[in-house]
Amino acid sequence: GQNIDQPTEMTATEGAIVQINCTYQTSGFNGLFWYQQHAGEAPTFLSYNVLDGLEEKGRFSSFLSRSKGYSYLLLKELQMKDSASYLCAVSSNSGYSTLTFGKGTMLLVSP
Amino acid sequence: SQTIHQWPATLVQPVGSPLSLECTVEGTSNPNLYWYRQAAGRGLQLLFYSVGIGQISSEVPQNLSASRPQDRQFILSSKKLLLSDSGFYLCAWSVLDRPYEQYFGPGTRLTVT
Repeated sequence: GQNIDQPTEMTATEGAIVQINCTYQTSGFNGLFWYQQHAGEAPTFLSYNVLDGLEEKGRFSSFLSRSKGYSYLLLKELQMKDSASYLCAVSSNSGYSTLTFGKGTMLLVSP
Repeated sequence: SQTIHQWPATLVQPVGSPLSLECTVEGTSNPNLYWYRQAAGRGLQLLFYSVGIGQISSEVPQNLSASRPQDRQFILSSKKLLLSDSGFYLCAWSVLDRPYEQYFGPGTRLTVT
């Protein structure tokens, strides 16, 4: 089976930097993915990591350590619109390729 | 460009009634298709996925079923709804060579009363 852990809630201030951690246990790891979900809306794809290291995409960066079963999403220059739930998901190569999602981290950005 | 449609947006149904949710994708051929449910306080749970017409895989045993009658159409059904079926139902698609980069539809919020 697969197990994904991420903090339930986090708060940060506009303009600051926040790091959202995700730890996972899975067999046949194939990649780690981050999605953003605003309240009442569908998730949107942010980034994915297959190899160890940092992937940067504008204000968002995602890091992966496969040996530690650990990833983080780094958000810089926080804006009010970044208030959302951030979902960590892992894929395995067991049969068809599917994603298993964590419960998400609700990030609240305050002025 | 690709778009994904889901309807209805919201639905209130009594316990024991049937269910049919529809999802269609435009602008791509032979997509992978997925049905997820997101219940209050819980993560996104994969219910069904399909890699082609008539090919359905179920992830979680339940009173729901799925069908893919056409390449870009995915239907979620139930003969008799339970209270526990309430939730936010999301359809998603991906391309065959990048199955993990999934794009979600707007979702259907189902309340079973």
